[in-house]
Amino acid sequence: SQTIHQWPATLVQPVGSPLSLECTVEGTSNPNLYWYRQAAGRGLQLLFYSVGIGQISSEVPQNLSASRPQDRQFILSSKKLLLSDSGFYLCAWKGTGVGPQHFGDGTRLSIL
Amino acid sequence: AQSVTQPDIHITVSEGASLELRCNYSYGATPYLFWYVQSPGQGLQLLLKYFSGDTLVQGIKGFEAEFKRSQSSFNLRKPSVHWSDAAEYFCAAAGQGAQKLVFGQGTRLTINP
Repeated sequence: SQTIHQWPATLVQPVGSPLSLECTVEGTSNPNLYWYRQAAGRGLQLLFYSVGIGQISSEVPQNLSASRPQDRQFILSSKKLLLSDSGFYLCAWKGTGVGPQHFGDGTRLSIL
Repeated sequence: AQSVTQPDIHITVSEGASLELRCNYSYGATPYLFWYVQSPGQGLQLLLKYFSGDTLVQGIKGFEAEFKRSQSSFNLRKPSVHWSDAAEYFCAAAGQGAQKLVFGQGTRLTINP
């Protein structure tokens, strides 16, 4: 069966520091991969999605970037974090064709 | 523009009472429809999905949803809620061939003992 892993579960970082969040999927090939952010008490905001290795679509211009170095690996990065980057970050995957997205357990990012 | 609307930001029901969470969509053609649940500090879990066919779909945890084309709605129901159902519920839609989901803003469900 397919599983999705996100780490770390929680992260506290100072303003101006770099960021790297990793997401990996097991048990499937060539998935679509997604990064979402959820601010406190708010809905889901799609940040990036990828339909294949090296293919990244950015939904919202911002301080973050994404990369997909391997088929089942999706990385969210920042060179210098801002206070506004705080939030709950969710990774999701979807198989090719029709189907739902499946979510990881999320990373709680706090910026001090 | 394609959109999903959940009119109720917060709903409170008593344990054992019935529940209906509303979801309306605006799409040119009937989209694929989903309901997810999110417990505090957790990711989203898929409750059920509608692609085509029978307009009443059964999901996990005793939930069901009914697709009504005439009302552009996909409301989620449960006959009797349990305290463990307290969570945030998201309705989502995807157009045919679309790579992305469009989410509603979510409905927070509180259960009174």
